Amino acid sequence: DAKTTQPTSMDCAEGRAANLPCNHSTISGNEYVYWYRQIHSQGPQYIIHGLKNNETNEMASLIITEDRKSSTLILPHATLRDTAVYYCIVRALNNAGNMLTFGGGTRLMVKP
Amino acid sequence: ETGVTQTPRHLVMGMTNKKSLKCEQHLGHNAMYWYKQSAKKPLELMFVYNFKEQTENNSVPSRFSPECPNSSHLFLHLHTLQPEDSALYLCASSQPGTGDEKLFFGSGTQLSVL
Repeated sequence: DAKTTQPTSMDCAEGRAANLPCNHSTISGNEYVYWYRQIHSQGPQYIIHGLKNNETNEMASLIITEDRKSSTLILPHATLRDTAVYYCIVRALNNAGNMLTFGGGTRLMVKP
Repeated sequence: ETGVTQTPRHLVMGMTNKKSLKCEQHLGHNAMYWYKQSAKKPLELMFVYNFKEQTENNSVPSRFSPECPNSSHLFLHLHTLQPEDSALYLCASSQPGTGDEKLFFGSGTQLSVL
């Protein structure tokens, strides 16, 4: 699986957009970009994923650069409950199915 | 509520004890996973089961013994653990073969080995 690089931590003001970057310069053509988040003492939660096109759902938007070497997760109006560790993961299928390798993630702190 | 339930939520055990962690999913998935999350470390994949068959053992010590009696249940049997095994143990499930499998995680069991 391609490796990802994320900032260790970020702050965001409540109500503002949170933009979380991720670099995945060695991504392969058939690998998806996934985002999960983990609120303290809970299991990770799926947010969004994409291959080439930008994606949006009720939680967030995912912007993938044209060369696919980086992406940005956007939380349009961050709330205090969005404080969590956000993981950017590039996934490759193997015979065993879906194997996700988690890195250190970005610790997002939303402040009042 | 993610549809994946783990029990117990917290567990304290001695190094000579035998205990089991339980995971149950109500999502109709056919793949289940055990992950370990130690303090200040990334999640580590331990085991993967697809259609009740173990398809991945990520060099996990034999003091951790998984069991998957059916596609909805997954156990992790623990015996003669060490203090460094204290961690959050997370169970997850997914539906393989769909092309964009998402993992659904339980809330985890916080294990302390004394």
